[in-house]
Amino acid sequence: GNSVTQMEGPVTLSEEAFLTINCTYTATGYPSLFWYVQYPGEGLQLLLKATKADDKGSNKGFEATYRKETTSFHLEKGSVQVSDSAVYFCALTSGGGFKTIFGAGTRLFVKA
Amino acid sequence: SQTIHQWPATLVQPVGSPLSLECTVEGTSNPNLYWYRQAAGRGLQLLFYSVGIGQISSEVPQNLSASRPQDRQFILSSKKLLLSDSGFYLCAWSATRVFIRGGANVLTFGAGSRLTVL
Repeated sequence: GNSVTQMEGPVTLSEEAFLTINCTYTATGYPSLFWYVQYPGEGLQLLLKATKADDKGSNKGFEATYRKETTSFHLEKGSVQVSDSAVYFCALTSGGGFKTIFGAGTRLFVKA
Repeated sequence: SQTIHQWPATLVQPVGSPLSLECTVEGTSNPNLYWYRQAAGRGLQLLFYSVGIGQISSEVPQNLSASRPQDRQFILSSKKLLLSDSGFYLCAWSATRVFIRGGANVLTFGAGSRLTVL
């Protein structure tokens, strides 16, 4: 079945450091890929998405590129801020499906 | 614009008591609706989804049930709670027909309901 694997956290960085959170997936067909973010005590919100191979999703300085050859969708940001502290979830929806499968989440702490 | 409401925000219930969590969506029609559970320190587990009134698909066998009595209303219930039912429950919706338009199934989540079973 479909699955998403993302790096375990927590990840602790200093402000302005470079961020990478790895995500790989297993899916049949051509899934859509997503990153969602969850701030403390809140529900999840969409951060970015990509619907086909080589697409790059971007938002708020975060980027991720849909790599079909490596089945990956790594999240990157060049300079993190304290306000980026949250839990980040990688997710996929298989083509034509209604179900979104989430990774376990990676907690990010950014220190001032 | 579309909004999603979920309540109650926090709930503390004894083992064996019933449960009812409610979710409503405004500003859209015929949404796909979902219930997810997030256990402490873990990822999201899809519990139920619905593509229309009275249509419920269950992903995980357990003592929870879901109902969709109206187009934009989704209810999560239990007759007798277990300790293992504790967690953060999230309702979400997505637009129908996105695949016809070539889009992606983007989920919009409510603020969540934190359930503690004692």
